[in-house]
Amino acid sequence: KAGVTQTPRYLIKTRGQQVTLSCSPISGHRSVSWYQQTPGQGLQFLFEYFSETQRNKGNFPGRFSGRQFSNSRSEMNVSTLELGDSALYLCASSLAGQGPDTQYFGPGTRLTVL
Amino acid sequence: AQKITQTQPGMFVQEKEAVTLDCTYDTSDPSYGLFWYKQPSSGEMIFLIYQGSYDQQNATEGRYSLNFQKARKSANLVISASQLGDSAMYFCAMSPLSGGYQKVTFGIGTKLQVIP
Repeated sequence: KAGVTQTPRYLIKTRGQQVTLSCSPISGHRSVSWYQQTPGQGLQFLFEYFSETQRNKGNFPGRFSGRQFSNSRSEMNVSTLELGDSALYLCASSLAGQGPDTQYFGPGTRLTVL
Repeated sequence: AQKITQTQPGMFVQEKEAVTLDCTYDTSDPSYGLFWYKQPSSGEMIFLIYQGSYDQQNATEGRYSLNFQKARKSANLVISASQLGDSAMYFCAMSPLSGGYQKVTFGIGTKLQVIP
């Protein structure tokens, strides 16, 4: 069974631009969560989607948004990029999203904002 | 609120030796799950082992075992017979059993370096 895939793997953007990251979960997994990882803050939860609905949201500004499609694939969008948005963005999928469901992570998208 | 504490920013271990990575947690949830993940320099988080708060026995997965002491709120990861490929960041995480959605809290991680 294929693992979680994320595209693109690397991105370089400039301040003020917007970016869309994509995540394809493991087949059969319906819950997709997004995390931001930085050296200073560690892993921080962004949001979780289940059956196309956002069920849970972390403490991030509205510039961070996401959505999930009927095939469980998810996208995350960051508008008006800031330097502090430079990070590794990790997507994780789980079967039913009922805690504590084991999450399986993708390789991440490394975003650099110049 | 949930909190995970990993107090060892870095650890060294000789190849083929065993090593223990510490993790303590705090939660008000009566039932919860504890996880350990490994993150090599490539960035991908790799699931290692899971322990439910209701499990009577410590979890084991190959060379990984979880030393779960509920009263002390600790969930230490033990890696036996360390290999060079074990060099990575290790994260402890937890999630409540209730809630109906994912609510995972991660620690700041421990960097393990295996010395030949």
